Amino acid sequence: GENVEQHPSTLSVQEGDSAVIKCTYSDSASNYFPWYKQELGKRPQLIIDIRSNVGEKKDQRIAVTLNKTAKHFSLHITETQPEDSAVYFCAASLNTGNQFYFGTGTSLTVIP
Amino acid sequence: GAVVSQHPSRVICKSGTSVKIECRSLDFQATTMFWYRQFPKQSLMLMATSNEGSKATYEQGVEKDKFLINHASLTLSTLTVTSAHPEDSSFYICSAGGGTYYEQYFGPGTRLTVT
Repeated sequence: GENVEQHPSTLSVQEGDSAVIKCTYSDSASNYFPWYKQELGKRPQLIIDIRSNVGEKKDQRIAVTLNKTAKHFSLHITETQPEDSAVYFCAASLNTGNQFYFGTGTSLTVIP
Repeated sequence: GAVVSQHPSRVICKSGTSVKIECRSLDFQATTMFWYRQFPKQSLMLMATSNEGSKATYEQGVEKDKFLINHASLTLSTLTVTSAHPEDSSFYICSAGGGTYYEQYFGPGTRLTVT
């Protein structure tokens, strides 16, 4: 099955700085890569996603890049704010079955 | 996005008893529902995939006789943890798919504590 690795496991940045979280996946058939933000005890919330036919996608302060050849994708958050503090998960999904396989998570702390 | 509910939000049960968790898609027909387990400070681990009207597909290492999944309608899937033990204590989250091909909508989760 798919194996998704995520780094770093924890990340602290000063407010206003950028944060980058990286994920790699193992199955070249994966073609959908969502990113989720999860606050303590709450459900994961989709913040951005990218499909394999696109190399980059941006939504205001959040961007995701995908390198299919290297099988890695990254989340970029610019101008970080304290409310960005949460755990972020990447995931990969194959076309068939639609199962999501999640990375191990990154706990982001934005220091005011 | 679509709305998915879970019930109960929290449950405490004694070791050896069974617990049923419901997952409902409130505003769309979910042809597929997924069940995840999340231990503290860990990732979401996919347990099983259920398709309406058919048997669930379990991930490797997940005991199908212990975690019974039923997806009898397009809006309801249930997970029953049978003969629960303290090591089954976890956060169980469902998600529903079918609105679009790729997206999944997550429920709020159920915190299970087995004493």
